[in-house]
Amino acid sequence: AQTVTQSQPEMSVQEAETVTLSCTYDTSESDYYLFWYKQPPSRQMILVIRQEAYKQQNATENRFSVNFQKAAKSFSLKISDSQLGDAAMYFCAYRSENNNDMRFGAGTRLTVKP
Amino acid sequence: DAGITQSPRHKVTETGTPVTLRCHQTENHRYMYWYRQDPGHGLRLIHYSYGVKDTDKGEVSDGYSVSRSKTEDFLLTLESATSSQTSVYFCAISAGSGANVLTFGAGSRLTVL
Repeated sequence: AQTVTQSQPEMSVQEAETVTLSCTYDTSESDYYLFWYKQPPSRQMILVIRQEAYKQQNATENRFSVNFQKAAKSFSLKISDSQLGDAAMYFCAYRSENNNDMRFGAGTRLTVKP
Repeated sequence: DAGITQSPRHKVTETGTPVTLRCHQTENHRYMYWYRQDPGHGLRLIHYSYGVKDTDKGEVSDGYSVSRSKTEDFLLTLESATSSQTSVYFCAISAGSGANVLTFGAGSRLTVL
Protein backbone atom coordinates (compact mmCIF):
# COMPACT_ATOMS: atom_id res chain seq x y z
CA ALA A 1 0.00 0.00 0.00
CA GLN A 2 1.13 3.52 -0.68
CA THR A 3 2.44 5.46 2.28
CA VAL A 4 3.05 9.17 2.71
CA THR A 5 5.60 10.45 5.21
CA GLN A 6 5.92 13.96 6.56
CA SER A 7 9.01 13.95 8.74
CA GLN A 8 8.51 17.41 10.26
CA PRO A 9 5.71 17.41 12.86
CA GLU A 10 6.22 21.14 13.44
CA MET A 11 7.87 24.00 11.59
CA SER A 12 8.08 27.71 12.19
CA VAL A 13 8.88 30.63 9.94
CA GLN A 14 9.25 34.35 10.32
CA GLU A 15 6.68 36.47 8.56
CA ALA A 16 7.82 37.38 5.00
CA GLU A 17 10.41 34.59 4.98
CA THR A 18 10.38 31.32 3.01
CA VAL A 19 9.75 27.87 4.43
CA THR A 20 9.84 24.40 2.90
CA LEU A 21 7.74 21.49 4.11
CA SER A 22 8.94 18.00 3.29
CA CYS A 23 7.00 15.00 2.03
CA THR A 24 8.09 11.61 0.76
CA TYR A 25 5.93 8.78 -0.50
CA ASP A 26 6.25 5.15 -1.37
CA THR A 27 4.66 3.67 -4.48
CA SER A 28 5.35 1.22 -7.26
CA GLU A 29 3.01 2.97 -9.65
CA SER A 30 3.99 5.34 -12.42
CA ASP A 31 0.76 7.31 -12.79
CA TYR A 32 -0.38 9.21 -9.75
CA TYR A 33 -1.17 12.60 -8.32
CA LEU A 34 0.17 14.51 -5.35
CA PHE A 35 -1.53 17.19 -3.33
CA TRP A 36 -0.92 19.60 -0.50
CA TYR A 37 -3.87 20.49 1.70
CA LYS A 38 -3.98 23.21 4.33
CA GLN A 39 -6.04 22.91 7.51
CA PRO A 40 -6.34 26.16 9.49
CA PRO A 41 -7.77 26.26 13.02
CA SER A 42 -11.26 26.34 11.48
CA ARG A 43 -10.61 22.67 10.62
CA GLN A 44 -11.61 23.17 6.97
CA MET A 45 -9.44 21.22 4.53
CA ILE A 46 -8.30 23.51 1.72
CA LEU A 47 -6.46 22.41 -1.41
CA VAL A 48 -3.22 24.34 -1.80
CA ILE A 49 -1.62 22.79 -4.85
CA ARG A 50 -1.72 19.70 -7.06
CA GLN A 51 0.94 17.92 -9.12
CA GLU A 52 0.49 15.29 -11.83
CA ALA A 53 3.33 12.75 -11.78
CA TYR A 54 3.61 12.71 -15.56
CA LYS A 55 4.41 16.42 -15.61
CA GLN A 56 8.06 17.32 -15.12
CA GLN A 57 7.29 20.96 -14.48
CA ASN A 58 6.75 21.82 -10.85
CA ALA A 59 3.33 23.23 -10.01
CA THR A 60 3.03 26.80 -8.76
CA GLU A 61 0.13 28.68 -7.20
CA ASN A 62 1.03 32.26 -6.32
CA ARG A 63 3.33 32.08 -3.25
CA PHE A 64 3.12 28.28 -3.13
CA SER A 65 5.31 26.02 -5.23
CA VAL A 66 6.44 22.43 -5.12
CA ASN A 67 9.68 20.62 -5.74
CA PHE A 68 8.66 17.30 -7.26
CA GLN A 69 11.42 14.73 -7.52
CA LYS A 70 9.82 11.62 -9.01
CA ALA A 71 12.86 9.35 -8.83
CA ALA A 72 13.42 10.27 -5.19
CA LYS A 73 9.67 10.09 -4.46
CA SER A 74 9.82 13.49 -2.86
CA PHE A 75 7.24 16.27 -2.98
CA SER A 76 8.10 19.33 -0.92
CA LEU A 77 6.05 22.51 -0.56
CA LYS A 78 7.70 25.91 -0.57
CA ILE A 79 5.85 28.90 0.84
CA SER A 80 7.37 32.23 -0.11
CA ASP A 81 6.74 35.55 1.63
CA SER A 82 5.02 33.77 4.51
CA GLN A 83 1.96 35.47 5.94
CA LEU A 84 0.26 35.11 9.31
CA GLY A 85 -2.68 33.50 7.54
CA ASP A 86 -0.44 30.67 6.36
CA ALA A 87 -0.32 29.30 9.90
CA ALA A 88 -2.05 25.93 9.72
CA MET A 89 -1.61 22.19 9.56
CA TYR A 90 -0.36 21.08 6.14
CA PHE A 91 -1.04 17.63 4.77
CA CYS A 92 0.68 15.96 1.87
CA ALA A 93 -1.49 13.47 -0.02
CA TYR A 94 -1.09 10.83 -2.73
CA ARG A 95 -3.63 9.36 -5.08
CA SER A 96 -3.03 6.82 -7.83
CA GLU A 97 -4.62 6.98 -11.26
CA ASN A 98 -7.11 4.19 -10.67
CA ASN A 99 -7.55 4.22 -6.93
CA ASN A 100 -10.15 6.07 -4.95
CA ASP A 101 -8.15 6.10 -1.75
CA MET A 102 -6.28 9.36 -1.23
CA ARG A 103 -3.48 8.67 1.25
CA PHE A 104 -2.42 11.41 3.64
CA GLY A 105 0.69 12.08 5.64
CA ALA A 106 0.48 12.79 9.36
CA GLY A 107 0.77 16.53 8.79
CA THR A 108 3.15 19.38 9.59
CA ARG A 109 2.03 22.18 11.87
CA LEU A 110 3.33 25.51 10.57
CA THR A 111 3.66 28.50 12.87
CA VAL A 112 4.25 31.95 11.43
CA LYS A 113 5.97 34.43 13.74
CA PRO A 114 5.26 38.14 13.33
CA ASP B 1 -18.79 27.04 -0.15
CA ALA B 2 -18.25 23.67 -1.84
CA GLY B 3 -21.85 22.57 -1.34
CA ILE B 4 -21.11 19.94 1.30
CA THR B 5 -22.95 19.89 4.59
CA GLN B 6 -22.10 17.57 7.44
CA SER B 7 -24.41 16.96 10.39
CA PRO B 8 -24.14 16.95 13.27
CA ARG B 9 -21.03 19.10 13.60
CA HIS B 10 -20.47 17.98 17.18
CA LYS B 11 -21.74 14.97 19.04
CA VAL B 12 -21.03 13.39 22.40
CA THR B 13 -22.31 9.90 22.95
CA GLU B 14 -21.76 6.90 25.19
CA THR B 15 -20.06 3.63 24.43
CA GLY B 16 -22.39 1.11 22.85
CA THR B 17 -24.85 3.57 21.35
CA PRO B 18 -25.49 3.83 17.60
CA VAL B 19 -24.43 6.99 15.83
CA THR B 20 -25.17 8.21 12.31
CA LEU B 21 -23.34 11.04 10.60
CA ARG B 22 -24.82 12.60 7.50
CA CYS B 23 -23.14 14.13 4.50
CA HIS B 24 -25.20 16.10 2.02
CA GLN B 25 -23.91 17.52 -1.27
CA THR B 26 -25.46 19.85 -3.79
CA GLU B 27 -22.81 19.30 -6.49
CA ASN B 28 -24.30 16.08 -7.92
CA HIS B 29 -20.88 14.44 -7.78
CA ARG B 30 -20.66 10.71 -8.25
CA TYR B 31 -18.00 10.01 -5.63
CA MET B 32 -18.39 10.58 -1.90
CA TYR B 33 -16.02 9.64 0.90
CA TRP B 34 -15.82 9.36 4.65
CA TYR B 35 -12.46 9.96 6.34
CA ARG B 36 -11.45 10.11 9.96
CA GLN B 37 -8.72 12.40 11.27
CA ASP B 38 -6.61 11.46 14.26
CA PRO B 39 -3.41 13.04 15.61
CA GLY B 40 -0.34 11.39 14.14
CA HIS B 41 -2.34 9.66 11.39
CA GLY B 42 -3.54 12.41 9.12
CA LEU B 43 -6.77 11.43 7.38
CA ARG B 44 -7.67 7.83 6.72
CA LEU B 45 -10.39 6.53 4.43
CA ILE B 46 -13.27 4.68 6.09
CA HIS B 47 -15.64 4.02 3.19
CA TYR B 48 -16.44 5.59 -0.13
CA SER B 49 -19.27 5.52 -2.65
CA TYR B 50 -19.11 5.65 -6.43
CA GLY B 51 -22.85 5.89 -7.00
CA VAL B 52 -26.25 5.24 -5.47
CA LYS B 53 -26.10 1.96 -3.56
CA ASP B 54 -22.47 1.47 -4.69
CA THR B 55 -20.00 1.57 -1.81
CA ASP B 56 -16.64 0.10 -0.93
CA LYS B 57 -14.37 -0.21 2.08
CA GLY B 58 -11.40 1.93 2.84
CA GLU B 59 -8.35 1.51 5.03
CA VAL B 60 -10.14 1.68 8.41
CA SER B 61 -13.65 0.34 7.76
CA ASP B 62 -14.04 -2.00 10.76
CA GLY B 63 -16.89 -0.88 13.01
CA TYR B 64 -18.44 1.38 10.38
CA SER B 65 -21.14 0.98 7.76
CA VAL B 66 -22.38 3.36 5.09
CA SER B 67 -25.39 3.85 2.90
CA ARG B 68 -26.19 5.93 -0.12
CA SER B 69 -29.80 5.82 -1.23
CA LYS B 70 -29.68 9.17 -3.04
CA THR B 71 -26.91 10.87 -4.99
CA GLU B 72 -26.81 13.78 -2.58
CA ASP B 73 -26.65 11.90 0.73
CA PHE B 74 -23.98 9.60 2.17
CA LEU B 75 -24.53 8.27 5.68
CA LEU B 76 -21.87 6.89 8.02
CA THR B 77 -23.12 4.66 10.84
CA LEU B 78 -21.35 3.42 13.93
CA GLU B 79 -23.55 0.52 15.00
CA SER B 80 -22.12 0.43 18.52
CA ALA B 81 -19.77 3.29 19.23
CA THR B 82 -16.47 2.66 21.03
CA SER B 83 -14.01 5.09 22.58
CA SER B 84 -11.53 4.31 19.78
CA GLN B 85 -14.00 5.91 17.37
CA THR B 86 -13.63 9.28 19.04
CA SER B 87 -12.35 11.36 16.15
CA VAL B 88 -13.09 14.10 13.67
CA TYR B 89 -14.94 12.77 10.65
CA PHE B 90 -14.73 14.39 7.26
CA CYS B 91 -16.94 13.87 4.27
CA ALA B 92 -15.50 14.60 0.84
CA ILE B 93 -16.77 14.69 -2.71
CA SER B 94 -15.07 14.25 -6.05
CA ALA B 95 -16.05 14.32 -9.69
CA GLY B 96 -13.96 11.18 -10.23
CA SER B 97 -10.84 9.29 -9.27
CA GLY B 98 -7.20 9.99 -10.03
CA ALA B 99 -6.59 13.63 -10.85
CA ASN B 100 -9.81 14.83 -9.41
CA VAL B 101 -9.30 16.63 -6.13
CA LEU B 102 -11.28 15.91 -3.02
CA THR B 103 -13.41 18.74 -1.67
CA PHE B 104 -14.08 18.39 2.02
CA GLY B 105 -16.91 19.23 4.34
CA ALA B 106 -16.34 21.12 7.58
CA GLY B 107 -15.94 17.98 9.69
CA SER B 108 -17.91 16.38 12.51
CA ARG B 109 -16.31 15.98 15.91
CA LEU B 110 -17.49 12.81 17.66
CA THR B 111 -16.67 12.03 21.26
CA VAL B 112 -17.48 8.59 22.62
CA LEU B 113 -17.40 8.43 26.43
